[in-house]
Amino acid sequence: ETGVTQTPRHLVMGMTNKKSLKCEQHLGHNAMYWYKQSAKKPLELMFVYNFKEQTENNSVPSRFSPECPNSSHLFLHLHTLQPEDSALYLCASSPSGLAEETQYFGPGTRLLVL
Amino acid sequence: AQKITQTQPGMFVQEKEAVTLDCTYDTSDPSYGLFWYKQPSSGEMIFLIYQGSYDQQNATEGRYSLNFQKARKSANLVISASQLGDSAMYFCAMRPMIYNQGGKLIFGQGTELSVKP
Repeated sequence: ETGVTQTPRHLVMGMTNKKSLKCEQHLGHNAMYWYKQSAKKPLELMFVYNFKEQTENNSVPSRFSPECPNSSHLFLHLHTLQPEDSALYLCASSPSGLAEETQYFGPGTRLLVL
Repeated sequence: AQKITQTQPGMFVQEKEAVTLDCTYDTSDPSYGLFWYKQPSSGEMIFLIYQGSYDQQNATEGRYSLNFQKARKSANLVISASQLGDSAMYFCAMRPMIYNQGGKLIFGQGTELSVKP
């Protein structure tokens, strides 16, 4: 069983659309993360949730809106995106959000904004 | 500022040979963790190995070992006996171990490894 799942795996949307990315972890972890991976650039941390509370927002534009209803689920709501937002969006989880913990990643959602 | 540098955009290695992927880092934090991840074309980031900055011995995990040289701020990944399935992007990452500031992994640009049969 895959520990961290993400849906959809691929998404194409227009700049006026509203869509949501979903992440679910089956590892019993309490910390979840959203990362953005653009072509030719390192992964960038976007948001961190620890025990359902947002603990970090890495200066992400408001057109990205995260939601963490419980420790197993994490959403990224998208609205009025720009073409430069096209990227691979990766979700990760770790047991308690501590620095020494390994983060386990999902397969990602490849987003294309037209 | 914290930074990870991977100077090899692409590497080739013959199957069954060993390969070293370079990683240097820059941080002023006294305590930190270093990670290596593998990313196949499918996109998933797969954790490979971890090294704490105060660990006395270099980390090893099966065919993976981390050549940690703290004074030089380098954390190179060594893959022994390369396999065709090792072809992927490899990312070096660092995270400061400051209490209550866990979570922010800083990634390098990655190295694309191709294993030749």
